[in-house]
Amino acid sequence: GAVVSQHPSWVICKSGTSVKIECRSLDFQATTMFWYRQFPKQSLMLMATSNEGSKATYEQGVEKDKFLINHASLTLSTLTVTSAHPEDSSFYICSARDLALGTGELFFGEGSRLTVL
Amino acid sequence: GENVEQHPSTLSVQEGDSAVIKCTYSDSASNYFPWYKQELGKGPQLIIDIRSNVGEKKDQRIAVTLNKTAKHFSLHITETQPEDSAVYFCAASIGNAGNMLTFGGGTRLMVKP
Repeated sequence: GAVVSQHPSWVICKSGTSVKIECRSLDFQATTMFWYRQFPKQSLMLMATSNEGSKATYEQGVEKDKFLINHASLTLSTLTVTSAHPEDSSFYICSARDLALGTGELFFGEGSRLTVL
Repeated sequence: GENVEQHPSTLSVQEGDSAVIKCTYSDSASNYFPWYKQELGKGPQLIIDIRSNVGEKKDQRIAVTLNKTAKHFSLHITETQPEDSAVYFCAASIGNAGNMLTFGGGTRLMVKP
């Protein structure tokens, strides 16, 4: 199946700093990628839909100025958590579909665990 | 919007027994229902999916059933093994490519050896 790679897999930062998480589709092109956040023992909550070459679409309640998304190419989307605070500590997961497969299957990255001190 | 409920939240079975996880959805327009397995510290992995034009699908020890009238679908794992222990999520979406998935709350499955 298609492979989605995230980097870094875990990051620890100080409060007030910004952290960038990368999501890459390794063997396919993705015009759309999805960013999820998952708190411990909870389900995945969609944060935003990243669109190549245009602005991301954010879900209700997600601050677009807090979580900057850039989808600069067909294989890369980045999520930047700006001025991170402890409450932003979470597991961030991206996903994408390989449209060429025609199955609609959503492939997930391995996730990035952010800990803000 | 779509709402997906998943039960039970935790499930403990003995190795070799079967495990069943059930989900209900609210939007009758939903027609794609995947199941994901998530191991600790990793991203979800698709294990099986079903579309609304079929009522059942099987892949070795894993099967999924769909009842469109009642708007519920279930995951069945037979002959469970310790490596089946993980968190399982059901999801639903309308259409295929480009449409977002709505996830259930997850089920933590523990298979005791």
